[in-house]
Amino acid sequence: DQQVKQNSPSLSVQEGRISILNCDYTNSMFDYFLWYKKYPAEGPTFLISISSIKDKNEDGRFTVFLNKSAKHLSLHIVPSQPGDSAVYFCAASARKKSSGDKLTFGTGTRLAVRP
Amino acid sequence: AAGVIQSPRHLIKEKRETATLKCYPIPRHDTVYWYQQGPGQDPQFLISFYEKMQSDKGSIPDRFSAQQFSDYHSELNMSSLELGDSALYFCASSPGLAEDTQYFGPGTRLTVL
Repeated sequence: DQQVKQNSPSLSVQEGRISILNCDYTNSMFDYFLWYKKYPAEGPTFLISISSIKDKNEDGRFTVFLNKSAKHLSLHIVPSQPGDSAVYFCAASARKKSSGDKLTFGTGTRLAVRP
Repeated sequence: AAGVIQSPRHLIKEKRETATLKCYPIPRHDTVYWYQQGPGQDPQFLISFYEKMQSDKGSIPDRFSAQQFSDYHSELNMSSLELGDSALYFCASSPGLAEDTQYFGPGTRLTVL
């Protein structure tokens, strides 16, 4: 039962253009969403997050959009750079009162930015 | 900035042996999480600790146990290792009440032969 889905296993984008990575979730209890970037044999690196009370969060070249009614979020990278080439994981949690809750990860999207 | 430290980075064990993985969270982070990532899979939650108490449990086999110590570091103990336990094991930490973002360590690659 994959509660967080990334339907595109791979994406190829020209340097300087926009990269759009998509993520869908099914659990309506999720209220905090994160994007991580991961290189092989390394730990996930946190990129950006968004709380369910917002529909957009921006940090430099990275913007995350959340559509709660559609249970969909997306990560926009503008402009894309070759160093952005990696696997991107969407993750979601249903935060508990006492502490942050476990993360449920999507299956990942491999982004390749062509020079 | 200080990051999450995991040791060892690589570990090779035989079937039925035991293994201990260690995690040192970012200073002043009181919550630790363990995840397992098999080949070609997304990370799966195993167990978490908040203020040295187990706070949540996922699909962790009974052969595995973990704890968080007074200095907030955590250890994942794995016994009767099986071939299927071969995976990357990630530890993450978060400041708990102050922030919900989890910051991951570099992982321990466990290979069971």
